[in-house]
Amino acid sequence: DAKTTQPTSMDCAEGRAANLPCNHSTISGNEYVYWYRQIHSQGPQYIIHGLKNNETNEMASLIITEDRKSSTLILPHATLRDTAVYYCIVGRRTGANNLFFGTGTRLTVIP
Amino acid sequence: GAVVSQHPSRVICKSGTSVKIECRSLDFQATTMFWYRQFPKQSLMLMATSNEGSKATYEQGVEKDKFLINHASLTLSTLTVTSAHPEDSSFYICSVPDGVSSYEQYFGPGTRLTVT
Repeated sequence: DAKTTQPTSMDCAEGRAANLPCNHSTISGNEYVYWYRQIHSQGPQYIIHGLKNNETNEMASLIITEDRKSSTLILPHATLRDTAVYYCIVGRRTGANNLFFGTGTRLTVIP
Repeated sequence: GAVVSQHPSRVICKSGTSVKIECRSLDFQATTMFWYRQFPKQSLMLMATSNEGSKATYEQGVEKDKFLINHASLTLSTLTVTSAHPEDSSFYICSVPDGVSSYEQYFGPGTRLTVT
């Protein structure tokens, strides 16, 4: 599975958009980009995934560059409850595959 | 989405004893479950893949005789830490892949193990 690179930490003001970048320059054609987050002392939570096209759901938007070498997770209106570690993971469909977690980005939403 | 539970949520045990952690998929059957371990301020590391009806697959460096995995049914997998030592103190998390969509994995709330 391709590796990912994320900033160690980021701050975001409450109510503003949080933009979390991820580099995955070695991604292969059949690999997806997944985002999970982990709130302190809890299990990770799925946020969103994409292959080529930008995706949006009730939690977030995922913007994938045309060359697929990087992506950005956007939380449109960050709240204090969005404070968590966000993991960008690249891999095939995870139905029977485990997830390889990197170090992630620790997002702190500031009041 | 699926609900995954773990029991216990926290456990403290003495060095040399064994501890069993349960992972249950509450609303759908899972032939595969994953067990992760997370040390303080570190990321999740896969320990093993639990397979219903067959032996678990362990990651390199994980002792299969120390971390016993039993996938007894399609809704239950157990991880037993045998002869626990303080260095086994960690946050243990299980996950269940979504067999329908195959995109999402559902994680349990985790079990905090402290070995004194």
